[in-house]
Amino acid sequence: AQSVAQPEDQVNVAEGNPLTVKCTYSVSGNPYLFWYVQYPNRGLQFLLKYITGDNLVKGSYGFEAEFNKSQTSFHLKKPSALVSDSALYFCAVRTGSNDYKLSFGAGTTVTVRA
Amino acid sequence: DTGVSQDPRHKITKRGQNVTFRCDPISEHNRLYWYRQTLGQGPEFLTYFQNEAQLEKSRLLSDRFSAERPKGSFSTLEIQRTEQGDSAMYLCASSLGVAGGANVLTFGAGSRLTVL
Repeated sequence: AQSVAQPEDQVNVAEGNPLTVKCTYSVSGNPYLFWYVQYPNRGLQFLLKYITGDNLVKGSYGFEAEFNKSQTSFHLKKPSALVSDSALYFCAVRTGSNDYKLSFGAGTTVTVRA
Repeated sequence: DTGVSQDPRHKITKRGQNVTFRCDPISEHNRLYWYRQTLGQGPEFLTYFQNEAQLEKSRLLSDRFSAERPKGSFSTLEIQRTEQGDSAMYLCASSLGVAGGANVLTFGAGSRLTVL
C-alpha cells in the first residue's frame, strides 16, 4: 500500500532560520507526492507536488521540496521561516493505480517564534 | 468567494441522531471528495464522485453513512444514528479530473461534528 510518514509531530524554529519538515514515502512504482498546509479554521491548502522531472520542486509561499529517490524522502523546506508559516503541514501520496485518492501523513505542527 | 464551501461548520448532536453536511465545490470541478480528519491524524479518504457518479467508497464508510451528488453539483454526506466515534472533522474537496494526472485538491474549511 502507498503511504507516507512524517516522523516529527512538531518542529520549532526561530523566524529567519531555515525550516525543514520531513516526509518519507513507501510506494510501488513512481510516486506522486504532495504537500498541503492547514491553518486554523481554514481548509487544507496545496503547496506543491512532485510528479516527475526535477528533484527540486518549488511551490507557494516560498516553499520548496526535494525528492530523493534513494532515501525515499520528500522533505519540505523554506530558507527563511516567517511567523506566519506557523501551521499544520501534511505530506500526501497518490495511492495505487487510481488518480484520485490521496493518503496523508499524520501531520507536523510548525511553530515559528519571533 | 469561489472556493469550496461547507455547511454547517460546526454541528453538535446527541448519539443516535441523524446529521447531514453539505458541500458546494468549485463550479467547474467535476470531481468531489469527502475525507474525515480526527485529532492528531491526517485526512482519511471516505468517498469520491466524478460528476454525479459515486465511484468509490472507503471501508471507513459504514452503512450508516451515505453521500450523494445530485446533478454533479453540490454534495451531501448524511450520517444516520450517530455514534460518539463519528466525532471528527469532515472535509470536502474538489478538483478538475485529469485522467492519470496528479490532481490538486481544493479543500473546504470542514464541518466539525461532535456527538455527545
